[in-house]
Amino acid sequence: GQNIDQPTEMTATEGAIVQINCTYQTSGFNGLFWYQQHAGEAPTFLSYNVLDGLEEKGRFSSFLSRSKGYSYLLLKELQMKDSASYLCAVGGSNYQLIWGAGTKLIIKP
Amino acid sequence: GAVVSQHPSWVICKSGTSVKIECRSLDFQATTMFWYRQFPKQSLMLMATSNEGSKATYEQGVEKDKFLINHASLTLSTLTVTSAHPEDSSFYICSARDIAVDYNEQFFGPGTRLTVL
Repeated sequence: GQNIDQPTEMTATEGAIVQINCTYQTSGFNGLFWYQQHAGEAPTFLSYNVLDGLEEKGRFSSFLSRSKGYSYLLLKELQMKDSASYLCAVGGSNYQLIWGAGTKLIIKP
Repeated sequence: GAVVSQHPSWVICKSGTSVKIECRSLDFQATTMFWYRQFPKQSLMLMATSNEGSKATYEQGVEKDKFLINHASLTLSTLTVTSAHPEDSSFYICSARDIAVDYNEQFFGPGTRLTVL
């Protein structure tokens, strides 16, 4: 079967660092994606990992370990506007994305 | 680049009417588009995969006769909700895959909020 797990909700403080973990068990693997979704809006692309290791993009970094079926999204220097849901997704067959349920991140001042 | 538009952004209709939602890739070609539905505080639910020039592939539990999908060109897919009922009220989001890119990244439209009275 297909299974993607991520925490339901996390809370962090403005200016701090937060790591959102994602574990997956899927029948196929065509990359690991992270998307950000603000309430009432569509998801926007954050990062893509297909090889093991860390991909850094500004304040956001994403890590992948294919052997462990594990990824994390690291957000640094948190800002209030980072309050959103963060969706982990695995690329499946037919170019589909298999979605996790999302992690709601709450930033407190 | 990689912009996807959806129209309308919101619609209110009476029960029993049909509603058409358009999804367009503005600066790239998309042989594959995806239609999602999202209820409040829930995750994205894939409804169907839309393939240009062929029939859409529907996910289990999604009625193909109720949710009609047409992908007539490389830049346009439409979703028609037929005989809409209040339980169809939801946030409908389309996404598209760039034909020139050989991996699974999807570019999302802004979504259409449907309210059925």
